[in-house]
Amino acid sequence: QVQLVESGGGLVKPGGSLRLSCVASGFTFSDYYMTWIRQAPGKGLEWVSYISSLSSSTNYADSVKGRFTISRDNAKNSLYLQMNSLRVEDTAVYYCVRVSKYNWNFGYWGQGTLVTVSS
Amino acid sequence: NFMLTQPHSVSESPGKTVTISCTGSSGSIASNYVQWYQQRPGSAPTTVIYEDNQRPSGVPDRFSGSIDSSSNSASLTISGLKTEDEADYYCQSYHNSNPVFGGGTKLTVL
Repeated sequence: QVQLVESGGGLVKPGGSLRLSCVASGFTFSDYYMTWIRQAPGKGLEWVSYISSLSSSTNYADSVKGRFTISRDNAKNSLYLQMNSLRVEDTAVYYCVRVSKYNWNFGYWGQGTLVTVSS
Repeated sequence: NFMLTQPHSVSESPGKTVTISCTGSSGSIASNYVQWYQQRPGSAPTTVIYEDNQRPSGVPDRFSGSIDSSSNSASLTISGLKTEDEADYYCQSYHNSNPVFGGGTKLTVL
């Protein structure tokens, strides 16, 4: 079955950096677009970034553009999110999500990893 | 920027039917597929409707989705409400290369 397992979350000071990882299993990772979606405490869902199956295309929400970088290693079935210049408002649970590029359905989600930005 | 607007909360009694709306701010909501996700407390979201009106396997047929072009809205209808349906529901679509979520609707079944 499809499994997505995130890691790398934690407490970081404003202006700091963090790298999230997601290991995928149960499907052919290199066939799928992948995304990061976040949810601030008590708030709704916010799409953060996506990357195409062969890394040829990436896109970012305006709120993270220029600070976050998405990447993937298909040989390791892994997705990454490098987060720099972190702000208090980046505090959220970050989900690794498999997406269908045909209908943009976020069909499979990881359990999430919590990032807390605080001094 | 394109936005999807949902009511903040709805409530209904067990056995009844409830409809949650999702209104697009501009353009035609029918231009791109709409998905609906259910999120129970402490859990990741799961898809209950994809491609406007399709149910994933395992989602009961009490859940249905529709598009109304005249009001530029999508709707999620849940019939025969059960207490287990109490959750947050999010609509989602895609606009100018960006996925977009609605703000979410808290469904209370009481």
